[in-house]
Amino acid sequence: DIQMTQSPSSLSASVGDRVTITCRASQSISSYLNWYQQKPGKAPKLLIYAASSLQSGVPSRFSGSGSGTDFTLTISSLQPEDFATYYCQQSYIYPYTFGGGTKVEIK
Amino acid sequence: EVQLVESGGGLVQPGGSLRLSCAASGFTFSSYSMNWVRQAPGKGLEWVSYISSSSSTIYYADSVKGRFTISRDNAKNSLYLQMNSLRDEDTAVYYCARDRQFKVTTVTSYYYYGMDVWGQGTTVTVSS
Repeated sequence: DIQMTQSPSSLSASVGDRVTITCRASQSISSYLNWYQQKPGKAPKLLIYAASSLQSGVPSRFSGSGSGTDFTLTISSLQPEDFATYYCQQSYIYPYTFGGGTKVEIK
Repeated sequence: EVQLVESGGGLVQPGGSLRLSCAASGFTFSSYSMNWVRQAPGKGLEWVSYISSSSSTIYYADSVKGRFTISRDNAKNSLYLQMNSLRDEDTAVYYCARDRQFKVTTVTSYYYYGMDVWGQGTTVTVSS
């Protein structure tokens, strides 16, 4: 199975900060990488698919980059509603696997 | 409105069985593959199972293989997860999620997949 490793596992940031989350795959997954946002008690929400394509309705302050094994999710200017946990997920091959998550907290 | 609604969760003893359902509305259910994803209390997301639109292709996580069975009824717009021989470690919120195919065109076109619609989740607790 492909292992997905996210870093950091948590971070503290202020409104307006630029935030970067990293995800690494244990083998090449081309661009088959998705990012999800999850708020407490809610279902995950798809933010980015194909490593860098913004899902419809997602604010443009979210962006994704990378291919192969190394990927990045960037929030250009953190907003109050962005405090949540973020997960990467590979869709290259089943079993789909998720990263361990990155919790973005208020500083 | 595109919607998925899970039901069937509850408290069950170890070794017991439970059947989860996921009712789809607002889209052509028969055109989409579907997944089950779970989340143990305070933990991350774990993919559980996949079924193609026609039920011709099915996958399971190793952790549930041989114990769980995914199925669907396209006439009823419903997805199911039959869970047998339940263990403590199966305690989680179970989500159904639509598997969406995205076409990305640069020089050539490629198809990518993401889970773009999720239900609200149903809680399964395995405990004596």
